[in-house]
Amino acid sequence: DTGVSQDPRHKITKRGQNVTFRCDPISEHNRLYWYRQTLGQGPEFLTYFQNEAQLEKSRLLSDRFSAERPKGSFSTLEIQRTEQGDSAMYLCASSPDRGNNQPQHFGDGTRLSIL
Amino acid sequence: QQQVKQSPQSLIVQKGGIPIINCAYENTAFDYFPWYQQFPGKGPALLIAIRPDVSEKKEGRFTISFNKSAKQFSLHIMDSQPGDSATYFCAAITQRGADGLTFGKGTHLIIQP
Repeated sequence: DTGVSQDPRHKITKRGQNVTFRCDPISEHNRLYWYRQTLGQGPEFLTYFQNEAQLEKSRLLSDRFSAERPKGSFSTLEIQRTEQGDSAMYLCASSPDRGNNQPQHFGDGTRLSIL
Repeated sequence: QQQVKQSPQSLIVQKGGIPIINCAYENTAFDYFPWYQQFPGKGPALLIAIRPDVSEKKEGRFTISFNKSAKQFSLHIMDSQPGDSATYFCAAITQRGADGLTFGKGTHLIIQP
């Protein structure tokens, strides 16, 4: 049984560069969430997918951020023109679609450092 | 606006003691309340969760107490062990679920041997 997988685990890049992260959810989990976590804080919701449809976006998701889930399986989160404030842990979570409020299972995240 | 307030920020307990972490929420649309445990460099791991129609839930050494009228819930860890040292987050989500989990700011728990 594999859990949520995220790649890469760490990314260091210069300000202004574009970065892309990948999330592979637990097999057959239709719901996929992206969160951002900064040091000493709880994760903050960014966006939600039901299968391939992006149904919700937080106000935190500026227009430099874009997320996709093209075939309803893996998802990507891209940040364009990165800024210092983008430095954070980016977490992905998935849950089954068996009614409301199924438990979300998290990956170990991608830690982004902007130089 | 912080919708889930968590306390204390940090907690030190002797081995075998019962750490208690408290959370309070404001949004009455919240319908599901999970607790997560996070170790450094790892993602949050689901510990236990409760729905508001239940006042208490126990799984192993972890117990959630829930007070719907006060909009408060708490985590108790029985017979705490040094391996329980981690950061604990309470969270809440509405029935709709599409707006994601709202997390507290976390409690850094240290269990001393």
